[in-house]
Amino acid sequence: DQQVKQNSPSLSVQEGRISILNCDYTNSMFDYFLWYKKYPAEGPTFLISISSIKDKNEDGRFTVFLNKSAKHLSLHIVPSQPGDSAVYFCASPYSGGGADGLTFGKGTHLIIQP
Amino acid sequence: GAGVSQTPSNKVTEKGKYVELRCDPISGHTALYWYRQSLGQGPEFLIYFQGTGAADDSGLPNDRFFAVRPEGSVSTLKIQRTERGDSAVYLCASSFQVAGELFFGEGSRLTVL
Repeated sequence: DQQVKQNSPSLSVQEGRISILNCDYTNSMFDYFLWYKKYPAEGPTFLISISSIKDKNEDGRFTVFLNKSAKHLSLHIVPSQPGDSAVYFCASPYSGGGADGLTFGKGTHLIIQP
Repeated sequence: GAGVSQTPSNKVTEKGKYVELRCDPISGHTALYWYRQSLGQGPEFLIYFQGTGAADDSGLPNDRFFAVRPEGSVSTLKIQRTERGDSAVYLCASSFQVAGELFFGEGSRLTVL
């Protein structure tokens, strides 16, 4: 039972355009979300986070939007650059089962086309 | 280096063998996590240490998996009687505090033949 869902395994976007990566969650107790970025043969690296007290958090080209009523968040990258090509994971630290680790989605492979 | 270090980077073993994977966290980070990432999946939580003790091992799939962190720094993930289904990338992460930003190592790719 996936509590954090990323339904798009891959996404292709032209360089310079906006990339929008989506994430849904099932547990309304989740109150903090993180996006991680992963290049091949490397570990995931933290990108940006958002707390449920906000509906938007921005850091340079990266903005995360949170819609609590829809249990949905999205990561916007604008403008997209070739170096943004990577797998992006949505995660939350609350699993609902007492575990203290992050619960990750399956990831979305973003491909930036030149 | 200053990051999380994992060894070996690649390990190929035969079914039934014993395997140890090592993680050296960032100095000063008290929390250490082990995750497993199978092909096409996100990282899956296995176990978390706060200091020397395993604060939460609810993600370990069965009793063939065990992890230690005897001095509160380096951790070893131990897998007994390996099975082909154990093949995955095992990721270690550390953080300065519980539920803080996780810093991941590059992972140890385990292949069980």
